[in-house]
Amino acid sequence: KAGVTQTPRYLIKTRGQQVTLSCSPISGHRSVSWYQQTPGQGLQFLFEYFSETQRNKGNFPGRFSGRQFSNSRSEMNVSTLELGDSALYLCASSFSGAGTDTQYFGPGTRLTVL
Amino acid sequence: AQSVAQPEDQVNVAEGNPLTVKCTYSVSGNPYLFWYVQYPNRGLQFLLKYITGDNLVKGSYGFEAEFNKSQTSFHLKKPSALVSDSALYFCAVRDLYGNNRLAFGKGNQVVVIP
Repeated sequence: KAGVTQTPRYLIKTRGQQVTLSCSPISGHRSVSWYQQTPGQGLQFLFEYFSETQRNKGNFPGRFSGRQFSNSRSEMNVSTLELGDSALYLCASSFSGAGTDTQYFGPGTRLTVL
Repeated sequence: AQSVAQPEDQVNVAEGNPLTVKCTYSVSGNPYLFWYVQYPNRGLQFLLKYITGDNLVKGSYGFEAEFNKSQTSFHLKKPSALVSDSALYFCAVRDLYGNNRLAFGKGNQVVVIP
């Protein structure tokens, strides 16, 4: 079974631009979560989607948004990029998002904001 | 809110020696605990989890972890470390009374010395 895939793997943007990242979950998984990883803040939860609905949201500004499609693929969007948005963005999928479910992570998208 | 502490920034161990990576947690309900490993420029790989039952959990690549409720700990162990075990290790916790998100520790860099 194929793992979680994320595209693109690397992105370079300038301040003020917007960016869209894509995540394809493991086949059959309906929950997709997004995390931001930085050296200073570590791994921080952005949001979780299940059946095209946002079920949980972390403490990030409204510039960070996401959506999920009927095939469970998910996208996240960051508008008006800031230097501090430079990070590794990780997507994780699980079967139902239940507390006992294991989240499986993709390789991440490395975003650099100049 | 749930939280995880990984007290050591880096763990150095000689190849062939036992490896221990420490983790303590705080949750309001029953904890669901996870260990992940991250290699450079890669996403997180799932190692093992504790949901309920036996306090000693066995996982991938020869790793195991011991759940200790009284000490609120979930230390990761491997009897004999390999150079290829050198990586960043994350402990994570989720509880059903929270918002069902995974809360990660800051991570421990493990260096296995040949």
